[in-house]
Parts: sequence; C-alpha cells; structure tokens
Amino acid sequence: GENVEQHPSTLSVQEGDSAVIKCTYSDSASNYFPWYKQELGKRPQLIIDIRSNVGEKKDQRIAVTLNKTAKHFSLHITETQPEDSAVYFCAATNNAGNMLTFGGGTRLMVKP
Amino acid sequence: EAGVVQSPRYKIIEKKQPVAFWCNPISGHNTLYWYLQNLGQGPELLIRYENEEAVDDSQLPKDRFSAERLKGVDSTLKIQPAELGDSAVYLCASSLGTAPGETQYFGPGTRLLVL
Repeated sequence: GENVEQHPSTLSVQEGDSAVIKCTYSDSASNYFPWYKQELGKRPQLIIDIRSNVGEKKDQRIAVTLNKTAKHFSLHITETQPEDSAVYFCAATNNAGNMLTFGGGTRLMVKP
Repeated sequence: EAGVVQSPRYKIIEKKQPVAFWCNPISGHNTLYWYLQNLGQGPELLIRYENEEAVDDSQLPKDRFSAERLKGVDSTLKIQPAELGDSAVYLCASSLGTAPGETQYFGPGTRLLVL
C-alpha cells in the first residue's frame, strides 16, 4: 500500500518568512496530492491540491510542487502570518479510488 | 452550503462500554468516509461507503467496530466494547464521488476519551 512520509514534524518561523513542508510517497501510481490545514480542535480543511499532470500550482501565498520522478511534493507558504499557525497534512491517492493516505503532519508555528 | 455534521463532539466513557458516533454528510455526496486520528498523527481510513455499500473496510477492527449507512445518507460508527486504546478523534468526511481528485470534506470530529 501507499506510504506517505512528511517532514519536518514541527516548524517554527518568524512572521513574514517562508515555510516549506516536504512529503514523499511510495506508490508511483499516485496521481492526486491534497494538502489539509488543521487548526487546534477543528476539522482538516483543504487548502490546495495538485494532480500528477502538473508540476506546480499556486494560490496566493500558497504553492505546491510535485516531482513525480522522485515521488515527492512540497508545500510552500510565503509571507507567513500568525494565522498560518496550524498542523498541515499532506496526502496521496491513486487510481484505485479516492483512498487518501495521510502524512504524519507538520506543526507550523509562526512567531509574530 | 452546510458542511459535514458530526455528533457528539465529545464523549467520555468507561472501558468496556459501548459508544456510537453519528455523521451527516454534505447533501448530494455519495461517498462517506470514517477516519481515526490519534493525537499528533494524520487521519487513518477506517471505512469508506459508496452510497449504502461499504466498499473498503479493511482497516476496520471488526471484532469491536461496526458501521452502517442506511439509505445512503447518514452513517453511524459504533464501538462495542470500547478499550483504552480507542481514545482518539473520529473524523467523518464526504465527497461527491470516488474519482481521484474528488475533494474530501471533513466534519469537526468526535473526540473520544475512554477511561
């Protein structure tokens, strides 16, 4: 089955700096990679996703890159703000259906 | 649009007691998922429904866990009897269908504490 590794487990940045979270996956058939943000005690919410037919996708301060050859994808947050503080999860799924396998999460702390 | 609704939000029970969680997916979403989220970890799929049919329950501990989705809308997840290790957040999610790339929308979860 799919295995998704996520690093780092915790990340502390100063407000305004950039944050990068990296994930690797094992199943070369995986073709959809969403990122979820989960604030303390709240539901995971989709913030951005990427499909295997593109290498990069941007949405304002958030971008995701995908390297299918190396089987890794990354989340980039620029100009971080205190409200970006949360746990971020990457996930991957393949053609077998919408079966998401999640990474272990990254706790991002943005210091004002 | 109303999101995925779950109840209760919190539940404290003693070990060996039964417990049930309820989920109401987004209207029109045919696919429903139950996930287990342990503290500090990512969600792990327990069971997936397409309409009223459980199409993947390989990760559901069937000796004590059961689920149903009568009429293909609301779903309940039951644990009987609960064990200390079942303490976790139980998340429900739904999506329109099962095509790769269908966004999964999560509910707020039920936080279970087994004493």
